[in-house]
Amino acid sequence: AQKITQTQPGMFVQEKEAVTLDCTYDTSDPSYGLFWYKQPSSGEMIFLIYQGSYDQQNATEGRYSLNFQKARKSANLVISASQLGDSAMYFCAMRRIQGAQKLVFGQGTRLTINP
Amino acid sequence: GAVVSQHPSRVICKSGTSVKIECRSLDFQATTMFWYRQFPKQSLMLMATSNEGSKATYEQGVEKDKFLINHASLTLSTLTVTSAHPEDSSFYICSARGPGRLVSGANVLTFGAGSRLTVL
Repeated sequence: AQKITQTQPGMFVQEKEAVTLDCTYDTSDPSYGLFWYKQPSSGEMIFLIYQGSYDQQNATEGRYSLNFQKARKSANLVISASQLGDSAMYFCAMRRIQGAQKLVFGQGTRLTINP
Repeated sequence: GAVVSQHPSRVICKSGTSVKIECRSLDFQATTMFWYRQFPKQSLMLMATSNEGSKATYEQGVEKDKFLINHASLTLSTLTVTSAHPEDSSFYICSARGPGRLVSGANVLTFGAGSRLTVL
């Protein structure tokens, strides 16, 4: 079974600062993918970044980067130069590469950017 | 590209009635669609996986007869909440996977905007 754990229910950060959102996972699958999604108050799920378990380099997408530490089973999201529009719920998720490819989500972290 | 439309965005119904929620992939063929349920301030819980032309696969604990899922075409899946009760009030969100949207070789799910169901 796959499990995602996000231990930070809420985070408060000053605008323009960097923020790290924690995510740890547990799986027995040899190959898997890790995702981060943003959910603003409107409810839509916005894909941010993806990391494959066999990827040698940490993924980056603009201001988003994923600090992937496979041995520790962690996949933290780093947002650089935070903006007011970054305030939202953030979900870490994972799925198998082979077989059933359903996404399993963590509990989420509510990020609030203060001006 | 890779847009998923979900309708209605909000619905209020009386207890005992049935409600249908549609999920459409607008610019790609969705071979698989997933239906999630989200309670306030909680995570997304997968309800079922539907593949075009076949029966949906439900997660443990999800009532098949309560939540009817149909995936009749490559661009449309529907979730029908039958004989809805107040405890069915929730945010329902669909996601679709098709062959087109790849990021670093991985097929990324595209989500609809969600449907907020309130049962009175």
